Amino acid sequence: DAGITQSPRYKITETGRQVTLMCHQTWSHSYMFWYRQDLGHGLRLIYYSAAADITDKGEVPDGYVVSRSKTENFPLTLESATRSQTSVYFCASSALNGYTFGSGTRLTVV
Amino acid sequence: KQEVTQIPAALSVPEGENLVLNCSFTDSAIYNLQWFRQDPGKGLTSLLLIQSSQREQTSGRLNASLDKSSGRSTLYIAASQPGDSATYLCAGRDDYKLSFGAGTTVTVRA
Repeated sequence: DAGITQSPRYKITETGRQVTLMCHQTWSHSYMFWYRQDLGHGLRLIYYSAAADITDKGEVPDGYVVSRSKTENFPLTLESATRSQTSVYFCASSALNGYTFGSGTRLTVV
Repeated sequence: KQEVTQIPAALSVPEGENLVLNCSFTDSAIYNLQWFRQDPGKGLTSLLLIQSSQREQTSGRLNASLDKSSGRSTLYIAASQPGDSATYLCAGRDDYKLSFGAGTTVTVRA
């Protein structure tokens, strides 16, 4: 199916563990983004990518790592998860007709 | 940095009433503005995209206007229905990044 998919939908992990959230798009959009959504803070940009092998920090990048070896994939890695990273994570891609978001990953760090 | 504000935070109306949702932004050099709908526990669904050169966009019962000089956008939903109950987010684009408002949560009472 065309679109943008995120996996997993739900994840529970322990403090200190490394966890990777996956994002895949089928349109070959150049730009991809990772946002987190928290009560009281709304949606905040973590990292974005303008093309394969080009990434840049957003508003809240600390504790996260991204890579983009292929245009269609943009994984987000939490190197050592902390409770403050409990959140809902959204991946998005953009084109001339605006942004399209994935369904989100709800991550709980215990 | 683009700052986006949405007032009110919540709104409750009887079915059939027209809805008016407000969004303000600080940087008039906005590239475009996008309205999204988010249902509880779900992702973001794009409703309307207004390019900086446009004054308004319409889709069915939805109409969104953009006034760059005053830094405002308004989303109108005609003849509201209980199914319109959701959180509505506006987002302004600078470069390739979106800055989001905190959203307006709408409840339409049957």
